[in-house]
Amino acid sequence: EAQVTQNPRYLITVTGKKLTVTCSQNMNHEYMSWYRQDPGLGLRQIYYSMNVEVTDKGDVPEGYKVSRKEKRNFPLILESPSPNQTSLYFCASRKGVGWNTEAFFGQGTRLTVV
Amino acid sequence: GESVGLHLPTLSVQEGDNSIINCAYSNSASDYFIWYKQESGKGPQFIIDIRSNMDKRQGQRVTVLLNKTVKHLSLQIAATQPGDSAVYFCAENGSRAGNMLTFGGGTRLMVKP
Repeated sequence: EAQVTQNPRYLITVTGKKLTVTCSQNMNHEYMSWYRQDPGLGLRQIYYSMNVEVTDKGDVPEGYKVSRKEKRNFPLILESPSPNQTSLYFCASRKGVGWNTEAFFGQGTRLTVV
Repeated sequence: GESVGLHLPTLSVQEGDNSIINCAYSNSASDYFIWYKQESGKGPQFIIDIRSNMDKRQGQRVTVLLNKTVKHLSLQIAATQPGDSAVYFCAENGSRAGNMLTFGGGTRLMVKP
């Protein structure tokens, strides 16, 4: 089954404690991205990657890091989480960037930073 | 500037009626537009897309209309069912670096039995 898998689904952490949210896709997609979803703000892109070892900032990259060492994995790293990073996070993958390259989303990770 | 927005945050319809969800965009360079459905506790799921050189595209029970003159698109759902209850997002692609998708704020569709 084609899917994007995020872990964990729920996470409560304290300010400043480094954390990583993993994302893995089994569709051999080249394009992967991370979004955060906040009430009234919709989905905002944090980082994206067009291929292995290629990553770029999205609209809200501050406080986040990513890496793309393998095609299937695209972890999101918060080196020093702060309460304003409390949000619902989604990883997505696409086979490309043109027409007919729909994005497949993971189930989401709800992060709370206290 | 680049923005994709929605006219109504919540839409309530009777089961069996048709639903129309609207979306406005501001960037004429957008290449194509996508509608996503997000059910509670799940990630967004692709519904249908339309290219900028099209006016209309139909899927199963869904139709997307694009009016480039007024930069407006709509999602029409025929014979709305309880399973259609969700938040619907429009997104645009093609006008930004890295072909990033730009999402609207979402409309919640509530289907009354």
